[in-house]
Amino acid sequence: QITLKESGPTLVKPTQTLTLTCTFSGFSLSTSGVGVGWIRQPPGKALEWLALIYWNDDKRYSPSLKSRLTITKDTSKNQVVLTMTNMDPVDTATYYCAHRLGYCTGGVCFPFDYWGQGTLVTVSS
Amino acid sequence: EIVLTQSPGTLSLSPGERATLSCRASQSVSSSYLAWYQQKPGQAPRLLIYGASSRATGIPDRFSGSGSGTDFTLTISRLEPEDFAVYYCQQYGSSPRETFGQGTKVEIK
Repeated sequence: QITLKESGPTLVKPTQTLTLTCTFSGFSLSTSGVGVGWIRQPPGKALEWLALIYWNDDKRYSPSLKSRLTITKDTSKNQVVLTMTNMDPVDTATYYCAHRLGYCTGGVCFPFDYWGQGTLVTVSS
Repeated sequence: EIVLTQSPGTLSLSPGERATLSCRASQSVSSSYLAWYQQKPGQAPRLLIYGASSRATGIPDRFSGSGSGTDFTLTISRLEPEDFAVYYCQQYGSSPRETFGQGTKVEIK
């Protein structure tokens, strides 16, 4: 049974750096092909893809946010960490982490099939 | 970046009716790497359909997906009370430029 859970601060001040942790179970990030991604959703708005890390430490970032994002993994702890610098009120959102079964290769790609419950982060002074 | 436009924004239907949701891409989606998710208030998105037409594990067969290229459709054959929610499409074949549509809300008429 795959589960994921996000954790981190609920309130950050503008210009601060946000650090979120995704703790998961039911799979290993040392298994070939597996990935964990981050997606966010401002209140009442649509989903936005942020970043993704694969088992082999291949990292992908949204081009529009690349300069502000860093994604890392700790395989021994079953955790993935996302940092976002220079937070602004427009970054207020629920942040989700999600599991991806495999690499996009050989004409086969995979969606996010399991999601965490999300964590609401508010950016305000 | 591929822009996904969903229509209609809101669909007002009664239980038992058929729902047809559209997702149009600004350019062709490679190999139909198009997914549909359902989201209820206060919950995470739930994967319904991947590869444009394959149902995810445990998804009832009243949900079906179709389409290719730039035009995709999610059909709910007979709405159950638990189906009233917001539905998002996503193209996932162009990482890191994966994108989501803006969503279609299916509400009770």
